[in-house]
Amino acid sequence: DSGVTQTPKHLITATGQRVTLRCSPRSGDLSVYWYQQSLDQGLQFLIQYYNGEERAKGNILERFSAQQFPDLHSELNLSSLELGDSALYFCASSAPGLATTGELFFGEGSRLTVL
Amino acid sequence: KNQVEQSPQSLIILEGKNCTLQCNYTVSPFSNLRWYKQDTGRGPVSLTIMTFSENTKSNGRYTATLDADTKQSSLHITASQLSDSASYICVVSGKTSGSRLTFGEGTQLTVNP
Repeated sequence: DSGVTQTPKHLITATGQRVTLRCSPRSGDLSVYWYQQSLDQGLQFLIQYYNGEERAKGNILERFSAQQFPDLHSELNLSSLELGDSALYFCASSAPGLATTGELFFGEGSRLTVL
Repeated sequence: KNQVEQSPQSLIILEGKNCTLQCNYTVSPFSNLRWYKQDTGRGPVSLTIMTFSENTKSNGRYTATLDADTKQSSLHITASQLSDSASYICVVSGKTSGSRLTFGEGTQLTVNP
């Protein structure tokens, strides 16, 4: 158990809909990262938050947005969903101040299926 | 552009055999290199993290090596087990401020009985 919690584990929805994925980082970790992994593909970095502030942005679509709340949990909002958005969405957290030098802990992912 | 390339893309071996996975990177300046194991449908789990000054690091039957001069790393798995079947991902971190992690596409290892 990495200590990173993601909900829901599975989500099935229709095209055009909007969903919210939630992530609770490990206790004490200030950085939260979101990744997308499509079928048989590598992990694609979406966005990073550090202590509530956006720190880095990757290949995140304009239809997607995220935020990190004062209690450090994070939400990834996906709107106007398309079939191609079907993927595993992973959240990861890292220890304070060790965004690229320390250990990165991944949650078990949220599997989104868009029909 | 920072890149991480892994080879082979996939590998099938028999239980009990050894294997070596390769990772070449262009990230510079370099901070650290990590190997992760990802079981199908699960989150990646860290196996090793190596900094510039480390040449080798072991975690049980997993041994990672790093040659920072040639920008190459390898992950050696000894006496493979069925549970080793997974994707092995090489991740490299840059040293400059604002650097992010660069992920390889992974090597899919299948261990057959």
